[in-house]
Amino acid sequence: AQSVAQPEDQVNVAEGNPLTVKCTYSVSGNPYLFWYVQYPNRGLQFLLKYITGDNLVKGSYGFEAEFNKSQTSFHLKKPSALVSDSALYFCAVRDGSDYKLSFGAGTTVTVRA
Amino acid sequence: GAVVSQHPSRVICKSGTSVKIECRSLDFQATTMFWYRQFPKQSLMLMATSNEGSKATYEQGVEKDKFLINHASLTLSTLTVTSAHPEDSSFYICSARDTAYSGNTIYFGEGSWLTVV
Repeated sequence: AQSVAQPEDQVNVAEGNPLTVKCTYSVSGNPYLFWYVQYPNRGLQFLLKYITGDNLVKGSYGFEAEFNKSQTSFHLKKPSALVSDSALYFCAVRDGSDYKLSFGAGTTVTVRA
Repeated sequence: GAVVSQHPSRVICKSGTSVKIECRSLDFQATTMFWYRQFPKQSLMLMATSNEGSKATYEQGVEKDKFLINHASLTLSTLTVTSAHPEDSSFYICSARDTAYSGNTIYFGEGSWLTVV
């Protein structure tokens, strides 16, 4: 079985400050980890993924995430948040055997001007 | 980047009727597509895996006779909500995997809002 936990329902930051959205995972095999962003009434947009290789993954819109195997974490980060980053963020995981994604509950990010 | 299109984006139907939602991969072939359901401010719940040319695989608790899935071509999967009831009102999202590309990324459609009145 595979699962994802996003411990924070909401994250609030001021524009220009660093943004971190936390994610921990549980998977039986090798984890394939993803971050998606969802704007109101829209589908999910892919931000970045970790499959193998370098633990620090860089993605779209200045986001990055660090894979930490010992802590089973894959936190999303952005050095300087923008108001336009305000959205709902989902962490997702699958193991290598199929393509079903398990999603976290989501974290609402609000960036204030 | 890869594009997945859903149609309609919004639909209102009467109780007891059926409604069909289409999911198309516009610039790639997808032997596998996925259908999710999302309630407001909640996470996505996987309903079923749609397989081109074969029967869909439904998750536990999802009624296959109520949520009919057809994946007749490599670029189109449809979800038909049969005998719809107000509790079926939800945001339905599909996703697809690019069969030819081993990059493991799953691309999502823009979602379809279903309101049953």
